[in-house]
Amino acid sequence: NAGVTQTPKFQVLKTGQSMTLQCAQDMNHNSMYWYRQDPGMGLRLIYYSASEGTTDKGEVPNGYNVSRLNKREFSLRLESAAPSQTSVYFCASSSRMNTGELFFGEGSRLTVL
Amino acid sequence: GESVGLHLPTLSVQEGDNSIINCAYSNSASDYFIWYKQESGKGPQFIIDIRSNMDKRQGQRVTVLLNKTVKHLSLQIAATQPGDSAVYFCAENPQGGKLIFGQGTELSVKP
Repeated sequence: NAGVTQTPKFQVLKTGQSMTLQCAQDMNHNSMYWYRQDPGMGLRLIYYSASEGTTDKGEVPNGYNVSRLNKREFSLRLESAAPSQTSVYFCASSSRMNTGELFFGEGSRLTVL
Repeated sequence: GESVGLHLPTLSVQEGDNSIINCAYSNSASDYFIWYKQESGKGPQFIIDIRSNMDKRQGQRVTVLLNKTVKHLSLQIAATQPGDSAVYFCAENPQGGKLIFGQGTELSVKP
């Protein structure tokens, strides 16, 4: 099993460009999440999807949109990238919402110039 | 407000010694805590969790201690190995599944 797979692993954008980060899990998990990780800031939740068909804002949702395409896939879109969105993005999944055991992907490093 | 923080940003230990990584939390209503390990270039990996009705929980070479009186938890790693070198995060789960992560402690194991 691959677990949680994110693409792309690296991306460089210019300010104002758009892009979508893709995430897929093969563990039949109900819940999926997008986090960003910045130096000295830990992991901050952007959006999450408790179950297929639902999405909710996390701690830092501004500038992002998400789509829970099906049970396996949860994408994160930047409509107009800004330098402040330079970060490492992690997708994660869990069997349910009230568990602390999340399974993370390897991360996507995004640089916005 | 809620916060999860760590006492030390870096910790260096000799191979074979025991490691203790500390974490403080401010929300006395938090009842569930988790430790994650993140190796360089990888995503965080679940290590162990503990609920507030417990003071101690043991895993393989790891022990988590929870002191609710002073709102403190720690992760103890026995016989630390080079493969334990990583950043360790504590997290709390006070709101139905949305984890709040601390800033992390970098553990460096010297051979």
